[in-house]
Amino acid sequence: AQKVTQAQTEISVVEKEDVTLDCVYETRDTTYYLFWYKQPPSGELVFLIRRNSFDEQNEISGRYSWNFQKSTSSFNFTITASQVVDSAVYFCALSEANQAGTALIFGKGTTLSVSS
Amino acid sequence: NAGVTQTPKFQVLKTGQSMTLQCAQDMNHEYMSWYRQDPGMGLRLIHYSVGAGITDQGEVPNGYNVSRSTTEDFPLRLLSAAPSQTSVYFCASSYGLAGVEQYFGPGTRLTVT
Repeated sequence: AQKVTQAQTEISVVEKEDVTLDCVYETRDTTYYLFWYKQPPSGELVFLIRRNSFDEQNEISGRYSWNFQKSTSSFNFTITASQVVDSAVYFCALSEANQAGTALIFGKGTTLSVSS
Repeated sequence: NAGVTQTPKFQVLKTGQSMTLQCAQDMNHEYMSWYRQDPGMGLRLIHYSVGAGITDQGEVPNGYNVSRSTTEDFPLRLLSAAPSQTSVYFCASSYGLAGVEQYFGPGTRLTVT
């Protein structure tokens, strides 16, 4: 069965610290897609990244980076030099290519609080 | 281009009342979905549609109905509201079903007393 686990419920850091948000997934499909979404205090869901199961290259976008490792079924998200504006709930999500209608399977989210 | 819009933003219902949450998108997306978000639970899929006239159930469909008469609109109906349906509801659309970015609406916060 498909599942996304975000073991860290809440993380608190001080500005400029680096922080890594963990995501572990379960799927039987060989073709699948992984996502990260950000939900700031205003409540909307902001797409951050999409990664398919055939592309294990790490990705960096400004202060954000993602480490995809199929061997450990993980898709971790690192924020470098965190800022107060990074405070939000972050969701990892899974989409399987062979199962119609599942759309996105979300983890329970990690609440990140960055203090100044 | 308004993207995905949802109305109302907030709603309070009494147990047993019915109502419809509205969702519309102007991106000509074939795929639309409804999720609910509960504290500590992430988002869970209620119903989805792969095109006008085609809908199916997601993970938590009980107590909800949907229909899709046009590409643009995907309303969610609560037939007889229950306190367990107190939640934040998100509508999403995409141009594909798997592996593509879902565009989310701003959400509707529903409280059932």
